Amino acid sequence: DAKTTQPNSMESNEEEPVHLPCNHSTISGTDYIHWYRQLPSQGPEYVIHGLTSNVNNRMASLAIAEDRKSSTLILHRATLRDAAVYYCILGGSNYKLTFGKGTLLTVNP
Amino acid sequence: ETGVTQSPTHLIKTRGQQVTLRCSSQSGHNTVSWYQQALGQGPQFIFQYYREEENGRGNFPPRFSGLQFPNYSSELNVNALELDDSALYLCASSVGLAGGSYEQFFGPGTRLTVL
Repeated sequence: DAKTTQPNSMESNEEEPVHLPCNHSTISGTDYIHWYRQLPSQGPEYVIHGLTSNVNNRMASLAIAEDRKSSTLILHRATLRDAAVYYCILGGSNYKLTFGKGTLLTVNP
Repeated sequence: ETGVTQSPTHLIKTRGQQVTLRCSSQSGHNTVSWYQQALGQGPQFIFQYYREEENGRGNFPPRFSGLQFPNYSSELNVNALELDDSALYLCASSVGLAGGSYEQFFGPGTRLTVL
């Protein structure tokens, strides 16, 4: 399975943008890049996914490098409710999502 | 629209026992995946069911088995429980096979404690 590398933790201030990086140098051409987040005592929640082009939705933006070996999840204005563990996952033709340890995002008021 | 629900919320079993966990998929979803999440770790894929057939399995022994019913609800069965099976068990549903372009909707999980 293609693996991803994320920082263990990051810190941000409320109402500031947050850029969460992810490296996936062994990504294959058919792997989608998925981002999920998990708030304390809850199941993971879908954030965004993409294949080659940058993607935007109501929660976040996903910027994908041209060589697809890295990506960045962008939260445009962090709120206290965004404090969670963020997982960057590659999903491919083997039809499963392989979660790593993710990045623990702390948002300061 | 009802989301993914799981039952029970918490469960305590002793080593060697068997357990059945249940999941109701989100309406319109034909795929369900099960994950095990140990404390401090990310979820680990157990297996996936698509239209009542197992389609993909992670690195879990055969004593972990599952079923998907015609209404797309699902069960996870674990036989001969071991202490290391203590974890949060998550169910996720999607409109198609996970891992590709489909987002998965997760339930709140069942916390299993094995004594």
